Amino acid sequence: EAQVTQNPRYLITVTGKKLTVTCSQNMNHEYMSWYRQDPGLGLRQIYYSMNVEVTDKGDVPEGYKVSRKEKRNFPLILESPSPNQTSLYFCASRGNRGYSPLHFGNGTRLTVT
Amino acid sequence: GEDVEQSLFLSVREGDSSVINCTYTDSSSTYLYWYKQEPGAGLQLLTYIFSNMDMKQDQRLTVLLNKKDKHLSLRIADTQTGDSAIYFCADQYSGYSTLTFGKGTMLLVSP
Repeated sequence: EAQVTQNPRYLITVTGKKLTVTCSQNMNHEYMSWYRQDPGLGLRQIYYSMNVEVTDKGDVPEGYKVSRKEKRNFPLILESPSPNQTSLYFCASRGNRGYSPLHFGNGTRLTVT
Repeated sequence: GEDVEQSLFLSVREGDSSVINCTYTDSSSTYLYWYKQEPGAGLQLLTYIFSNMDMKQDQRLTVLLNKKDKHLSLRIADTQTGDSAIYFCADQYSGYSTLTFGKGTMLLVSP
């Protein structure tokens, strides 16, 4: 089944403790992206990657890192999480050519205390 | 920069039609999408329309595109309680570009 898999689904952590949210897709998509969703603010893009070893900042990249060493994986790294990074995070992927809609993972709800 | 605007909330009765509206600013948008987010889930593609189309119908869903006014609408016929969700409008300039999402419209369907 074609899918985008994020782990974990839920994560509670403390300020300053480094964490990684994993994202993997099995559709051989070139493009992958991370979003955060907050009430009243909709979806905001954090980082995206057009292909392996190519990453770019989205609208809200501060406090986040990403890497794209393999086509299928696009982990989101929070080196020193802060409470304002408490949010619902989504990973998404799509092809790079023509009509290719975004496929979303089921989300990771992160709470930073 | 680009912007996509939606009303935040819509309430309808079961069996009625729902119309969710969206406006966008990028006249070069090539692809326009509607995504649905059910509680606790990710976004799922509901339907899409290309900029060279005025209308697209898919079972209970009708998408209308007014390019002159940069206005997109999603009509759901015979709305059911299972249609209660957040609906996101998004536009995209080309297959290589990122999507710009609206803030989402919460549709509440009451019995």
